[in-house]
Amino acid sequence: GEDVEQSLFLSVREGDSSVINCTYTDSSSTYLYWYKQEPGAGLQLLTYIFSNMDMKQDQRLTVLLNKKDKHLSLRIADTQTGDSAIYFCAEKDSGAGSYQLTFGKGTKLSVIP
Amino acid sequence: EADIYQTPRYLVIGTGKKITLECSQTMGHDKMYWYQQDPGMELHLIHYSYGVNSTEKGDLSSESTVSRIRTEHFPLTLESARPSHTSQYLCASSVENTGELFFGEGSRLTVL
Repeated sequence: GEDVEQSLFLSVREGDSSVINCTYTDSSSTYLYWYKQEPGAGLQLLTYIFSNMDMKQDQRLTVLLNKKDKHLSLRIADTQTGDSAIYFCAEKDSGAGSYQLTFGKGTKLSVIP
Repeated sequence: EADIYQTPRYLVIGTGKKITLECSQTMGHDKMYWYQQDPGMELHLIHYSYGVNSTEKGDLSSESTVSRIRTEHFPLTLESARPSHTSQYLCASSVENTGELFFGEGSRLTVL
């Protein structure tokens, strides 16, 4: 089955850039997503990228997709303490009847003031 | 902001009690999901529904049951709660074309 892998922890200093990496195994992925979860809350969609794109930028967020290596990254510029959260990578494949996302285990980002 | 609501947000109950976690969405989405999130953060799909009167079990076996009598409502029920059911339960619904999931705030259940 599909698999999505992420490192579990990342610690950065306030003002630096954060880069959260994700690898996936499903070559037929159509959409790839980044979700953010703050303590005690549900998941919030940050951004998504369609598989025929290489990059997507939205304010402080930059998503890079290397489809050949099945590698997705999320860069947060000028990281703030409010960015401290768990970040989940997820993918949706193109299989018939496939309506579910496959999630990674989440990367806990800690921002040091 | 997503229009999907879960109640209760927090619940502490004794072993053997029956509980229902409520989930409602006002976006008209056909597809809805229940995830269980363990303390290590990983999400496990336990139930999903493609529409009214459709329910399926997810990847993780669960003793809970669900129903989908109305499009907007997808409640989860535990007939006899046990300490092993202590967890965070997240409800979600999805957009048809992109598959984007909208999550509720979660229901944190503690069974003593």
